[in-house]
Parts: sequence; C-alpha cells; structure tokens
Amino acid sequence: AQSVTQLDSHVSVSEGTPVLLRCNYSSSYSPSLFWYVQHPNKGLQLLLKYTSAATLVKGINGFEAEFKKSETSFHLTKPSAHMSDAAEYFCVVSDQTSGTYKYIFGTGTRLKVLA
Amino acid sequence: EAGVTQFPSHSVIEKGQTVTLRCDPISGHDNLYWYRRVMGKEIKFLLHFVKESKQDESGMPNNRFLAERTGGTYSTLKVQPAELEDSGVYFCASSRNRGTGELFFGEGSRLTVL
Repeated sequence: AQSVTQLDSHVSVSEGTPVLLRCNYSSSYSPSLFWYVQHPNKGLQLLLKYTSAATLVKGINGFEAEFKKSETSFHLTKPSAHMSDAAEYFCVVSDQTSGTYKYIFGTGTRLKVLA
Repeated sequence: EAGVTQFPSHSVIEKGQTVTLRCDPISGHDNLYWYRRVMGKEIKFLLHFVKESKQDESGMPNNRFLAERTGGTYSTLKVQPAELEDSGVYFCASSRNRGTGELFFGEGSRLTVL
C-alpha cells in the first residue's frame, strides 16, 4: 500500500527566510502527489500537484516542489516566507494500488512564521 | 462555480444520539470522498463514491456509520449511535477525475460528542 511520511510535525521560520517542508512517500506505481494547505477554520486548498509531467512543480503563492523518484521525496519549498504562510501543510499521495482511488494524507506539518 | 459545501459546520451531541452530516459537491464532480480528522491525528479516508455507487468504503470505522449519495448528487454521512471517539472534523471532497485530479474540499463539519 502507498503511504506518506511528513518528517516534521512543526517547522518555524523567520519571515523572509526559505521554507522547506519535507515529504517522503512509498508507492508501487507511478504516484500522483499533492500538497494541500489548511488555514485555521478553513477547508484544504491545493497548493500544487505532480502527475508524471515535469518533476519540478510550481504552485500558488510562490511554492514549489520537486519530485525525486530516486529519493522517493516530494519536498515543498518557498524562497521567502510570508506571515500569511502560517498554516498546516499536508502531503498527499494518490493510491491506485487496489484498483480504487483514495488519497492518502501525511500527518501534516504546522508552519509557524516569526516576525 | 460554487465550491463544496458542508452542513452543519459544527454539531454538539450527546453519546448515543444520531447526527447526519451533509455534503454538496461541486456540480459535475462524479467523485465524492469523506475524510475524518480526529484531534491530533492524521486525516483518514472514510469512503469514496463514484456517482451514487460506493467505490471504496474500506475506511469506514464500523457499522454505526452510514453514507449515502442518492441520485449521485449530495451525500450524507450518518453516525448512529454516536460515541465519544467519533468526535473530530469530517471533511468532504469532490473531484472530476479519479486519482490524478485535484480534490476540492469543503470547510468540514466539526462533530463533538459529549
């Protein structure tokens, strides 16, 4: 079965510094991978997705992620953090191994941005 | 277009009572998913509808949970009777394409069982 591991439950950065949120996955097939963000009391919003096209994926709000098959990683980065980036981030893999289609979530990384 | 809407946004009930959560997906989205997040834990898959059919209900915790999607439009998730461990946030999501498509999420229904 496919799975996702988010290596950090909490990350703190200063405003204006780079953001790195780590995600590793396991998959028997070519995976589809996603990053979602959830701001307090809001629904989850798609930041970006990888579906076997370009390995460097650009998303909204300056975020990007690189699919590295050899490392089974899909880390999320942003060159310069903004206060509004403070939220919880989820790495998601699409599971098609059983012939059905469920999206498997990581445990989430809570990003704190310090002024 | 209207997004995914969920109702109620928050429900507080006593153990043993019944609650029904509703989800209206984006029009034209055949795929509808229910997820649950218990406090402090990960977001867990409950089930997946394709139109009115249950494609995968492997995540449903037990037979106290019943999901329906009559007519392939909105869906309901009923918990009867509710237990303390059912407390959490229930998310609904819809998508046009299975597997590779973006999931569009509602804002969730927070269930508190006392």
